[in-house]
Amino acid sequence: GENVEQHPSTLSVQEGDSAVIKCTYSDSASNYFPWYKQELGKRPQLIIDIRSNVGEKKDQRIAVTLNKTAKHFSLHITETQPEDSAVYFCAASLLGSSNTGKLIFGQGTTLQVKP
Amino acid sequence: GAGVSQSPSNKVTEKGKDVELRCDPISGHTALYWYRQRLGQGLEFLIYFQGNSAPDKSGLPSDRFSAERTGESVSTLTIQRTQQEDSAVYLCASSLSLPPQYFGPGTRLTVL
Repeated sequence: GENVEQHPSTLSVQEGDSAVIKCTYSDSASNYFPWYKQELGKRPQLIIDIRSNVGEKKDQRIAVTLNKTAKHFSLHITETQPEDSAVYFCAASLLGSSNTGKLIFGQGTTLQVKP
Repeated sequence: GAGVSQSPSNKVTEKGKDVELRCDPISGHTALYWYRQRLGQGLEFLIYFQGNSAPDKSGLPSDRFSAERTGESVSTLTIQRTQQEDSAVYLCASSLSLPPQYFGPGTRLTVL
């Protein structure tokens, strides 16, 4: 089955710097890759997602890149702010009429943005 | 509109007892998922419901775990004869037939 590895497990940056979190997946058939942000004690919230027919997607300070050949995708946060501090999870899924769309998650990255 | 809701928010139980967790999905969402999140870990898929189709139970860790859903409404996750390793946050998510999945606040289960 699908396996997702996420690195680093912790990341500390200064406010205003960029942060990059990387994930690799094992199942080349996976075609949907969301990123969730989870603040302490809160529910995971979707921040951005990408499908396998797209190589990059941006939303303001957040971007995701996908390399299908390498089975690798990354989250990029620019101009980080203290409120970006949270745990970030990547996930992979196989969408299609006969598939469940269940998400296989990475282990999470704790991002700390120092003011 | 209202998001996914779960109850109870916290549940403390003794080893060997049964517990029942509830999830109310977003109205109109046909797909419903249960995940488990152990402390400091990622989320693990447990079970998936889609309309009246047979559920995907491939993530359930043992036969002590079961779940039900009536149509496209409420779902309950039942853990029988709870063990200490069942202590975790149990998260429910719902979606339309296509993503994204929207998560509930979770139920924190503590087995003493």
